[in-house]
Amino acid sequence: GQQVMQIPQYQHVQEGEDFTTYCNSSTTLSNIQWYKQRPGGHPVFLIQLVKSGEVKKQKRLTFQFGEAKKNSSLHITATQTTDVGTYFCAGSQDDYKLSFGAGTTVTVRA
Amino acid sequence: DGGITQSPKYLFRKEGQNVTLSCEQNLNHDAMYWYRQDPGQGLRLIYYSQIVNDFQKGDIAEGYSVSREKKESFPLTVTSAQKNPTAFYLCASSLQGDSNQPQHFGDGTRLSIL
Repeated sequence: GQQVMQIPQYQHVQEGEDFTTYCNSSTTLSNIQWYKQRPGGHPVFLIQLVKSGEVKKQKRLTFQFGEAKKNSSLHITATQTTDVGTYFCAGSQDDYKLSFGAGTTVTVRA
Repeated sequence: DGGITQSPKYLFRKEGQNVTLSCEQNLNHDAMYWYRQDPGQGLRLIYYSQIVNDFQKGDIAEGYSVSREKKESFPLTVTSAQKNPTAFYLCASSLQGDSNQPQHFGDGTRLSIL
């Protein structure tokens, strides 16, 4: 079945630094979504990418969908303590189901 | 405020017991989903329903059952056949049952074995 892999599993970042988390699929995806789950909370939808090579920005967050639509990345610049949480990517192959990656858990050193 | 309500927040199950987790939404969404979250494994789909009176198995349906008699409600029963039920269970909904729709999640139910 479809698998979506995310790396790294953990990311420890100094406040103010940048980091990137990556999402890779074994198959071509029709779309990819990103979610954020704060500690003790539930996943919250951030964004969806659909087109090959698409790049979208939300303030300090930049999301990218690969040209082959098999990978995606989330880059956060100038990390803040509010960025703490687990970031999940979720991909689909034109069906009704999303396959979630295992997530990247981000901690921030002030 | 529209949203998804899951109850209870914490649930304990005895050996051989079935337990039911509640999920109610007032977003007027057609599709609803149940996920299981274990540490380091992300979210795994248990069951999903694209419309009332219809539902399909997800990737890990064994030991679980659902019903969708009302648009607003999608209860999940964890049966005694589920040998490792300890996990965080998340219910979600989307406007329509296709993968291009963002999913809205409830606050979850944490199930433990006594």
